[in-house]
Amino acid sequence: GAGVSQSPRYKVAKRGQDVALRCDPISGHVSLFWYQQALGQGPEFLTYFQNEAQLDKSGLPSDRFFAERPEGSVSTLKIQRTQQEDSAVYLCASSLVPGPLEAFFGQGTRLTVV
Amino acid sequence: AQSVTQPDIHITVSEGASLELRCNYSYGATPYLFWYVQSPGQGLQLLLKYFSGDTLVQGIKGFEAEFKRSQSSFNLRKPSVHWSDAAEYFCALRVTGGGNKLTFGTGTQLKVEL
Repeated sequence: GAGVSQSPRYKVAKRGQDVALRCDPISGHVSLFWYQQALGQGPEFLTYFQNEAQLDKSGLPSDRFFAERPEGSVSTLKIQRTQQEDSAVYLCASSLVPGPLEAFFGQGTRLTVV
Repeated sequence: AQSVTQPDIHITVSEGASLELRCNYSYGATPYLFWYVQSPGQGLQLLLKYFSGDTLVQGIKGFEAEFKRSQSSFNLRKPSVHWSDAAEYFCALRVTGGGNKLTFGTGTQLKVEL
């Protein structure tokens, strides 16, 4: 596609539910990033993939957060047993080159946990 | 650890007036620096970036930024603001010598009065 596509755009989950957020990067982009943006804050790094390899997951806040990119293209961020503090916009970005220096961001998925 | 500070949470300017958004960083060396813009419901769009060399960098939409090592600053400027510039602006850095993530400031919300 022309840009990074994320779905769904909005997700409401009841506390304790599991959610899955999808990211379709720009075709051919080797790098893929997930960020979490809480209300009124800047984005915070969650994890980084280079092709299918998850090279950095230092930003994942707990073991309830899990990300995968099995074929080196589409990625899914899964949050288990959602909690209210997980409410945020989740941004995906991709880059043609390794690393974040040329990253293009998607519109994000707004997750609200009630 | 590195950090980015954007001292102004909100700024209001009149259309046609000049603009300067402040960004200060904390890092032991000269980082790679970025400015992004985020319009409501949109992803982050890269305005400009500084890696090395000329300390005054030009970006898209008529924006420029100046890196000042002595002040650990990377302020964003525009000589004449348009109503369509109303958005949230984020300063970000990546450490030199590698690193998989961008570290963002908390953002400055720009309002443009007609």
